[in-house]
Amino acid sequence: ELKVEQNPLFLSMQEGKNYTIYCNYSTTSDRLYWYRQDPGKSLESLFVLLSNGAVKQEGRLMASLDTKARLSTLHITAAVHDLSATYFCAVDFQTQGGSEKLVFGKGTKLTVNP
Amino acid sequence: ETGVTQSPTHLIKTRGQQVTLRCSSQSGHNTVSWYQQALGQGPQFIFQYYREEENGRGNFPPRFSGLQFPNYSSELNVNALELDDSALYLCASSFGPYTGGDNEQFFGPGTRLTVL
Repeated sequence: ELKVEQNPLFLSMQEGKNYTIYCNYSTTSDRLYWYRQDPGKSLESLFVLLSNGAVKQEGRLMASLDTKARLSTLHITAAVHDLSATYFCAVDFQTQGGSEKLVFGKGTKLTVNP
Repeated sequence: ETGVTQSPTHLIKTRGQQVTLRCSSQSGHNTVSWYQQALGQGPQFIFQYYREEENGRGNFPPRFSGLQFPNYSSELNVNALELDDSALYLCASSFGPYTGGDNEQFFGPGTRLTVL
């Protein structure tokens, strides 16, 4: 069964600092997602990474995927308070029945302090 | 283009009761997946519906059941509610059960279920 591990689970950082969230997964997958979730809200898609070496950037966030290492990173540059949220990585997993499901990590709760 | 919608937004039930949650898929999408997100956890896959049939299921007991209608909307039914069923229930729609290429699942706003 596919397992997805994120670390750290909690991250408190100061505005202006840089940090990286890591996402490891246990079996082969060609697709990895990063989502943002604000308290009480649904999931907002940030990035879809489709292949080995994929790198995507949006504003202060940059995500990368290494399928050989089964590792994705979400790098935060010069953090601002508005980035405070919980960030999830999720990996596509094809079930025996032929459907695809997303397997999520436990999430990283990011707090950016002034 | 209409996004994924869910109803109701919030729901309070007592143990032993039954509940039905509803999801309308995004325009053009024919596949609906349901996820349960307990407080402080990542979402967990419940099941997927494609062509009005269950097409894959996670580790959830049979008291979690669903339907998909010809217009691709879907229902999640939970019988004999337990306290641990309290969670945010998310549905996601996609075009087909295989999210290859740029096809991805788009999530609705969720239904917050509280079981007392």
